[in-house]
Amino acid sequence: KAGVTQTPRYLIKTRGQQVTLSCSPISGHRSVSWYQQTPGQGLQFLFEYFSETQRNKGNFPGRFSGRQFSNSRSEMNVSTLELGDSALYLCASSLVSGGYDTQYFGPGTRLTVL
Amino acid sequence: DQQVKQNSPSLSVQEGRISILNCDYTNSMFDYFLWYKKYPAEGPTFLISISSIKDKNEDGRFTVFLNKSAKHLSLHIVPSQPGDSAVYFCAAENTGNQFYFGTGTSLTVIP
Repeated sequence: KAGVTQTPRYLIKTRGQQVTLSCSPISGHRSVSWYQQTPGQGLQFLFEYFSETQRNKGNFPGRFSGRQFSNSRSEMNVSTLELGDSALYLCASSLVSGGYDTQYFGPGTRLTVL
Repeated sequence: DQQVKQNSPSLSVQEGRISILNCDYTNSMFDYFLWYKKYPAEGPTFLISISSIKDKNEDGRFTVFLNKSAKHLSLHIVPSQPGDSAVYFCAAENTGNQFYFGTGTSLTVIP
């Protein structure tokens, strides 16, 4: 079974631009979560989508948004980029079986804002 | 507010010895705990998990211990191998399937 895939793997943007990152979950997984990783900050939770609806949201400004499509693929958008948005953005998918889940991560998208 | 904490940013261990990585949490509503391993330029990989109804779970060289009263869990790696050198994240999950991650501990296993 194919793992979680994320595109693109690397991205360089300038301040003020916007960016869209894509995530394809493991087949059959219905939940997709997004995280931001910066040095020393661990994994900061952005949001989670389940059945095309945002189910949970972290403490990030409204410039960060996402969506999920009917095939469970998800996109994350960051508008008006700031230097501090430079980070590794990770997507994770989980099955949502009714009990506790395990999240499986993609390789991440490394975003650099100049 | 960091609900899951890994207070040791780094740890060095000799090959063949035991590595012990620690994690503390503050929310007593967490019921499921996981450990992930992350190499540079890759996403975290799931290692091992434990439910709050257990105090120990073992998988090969990896054992996770949970002390609910102390809100503390630890990951033991025995014996440690150079390929274990990575950043280890602990995570806690609540009944709403929301995950909270620690800031990670960078393990270096010295050959």
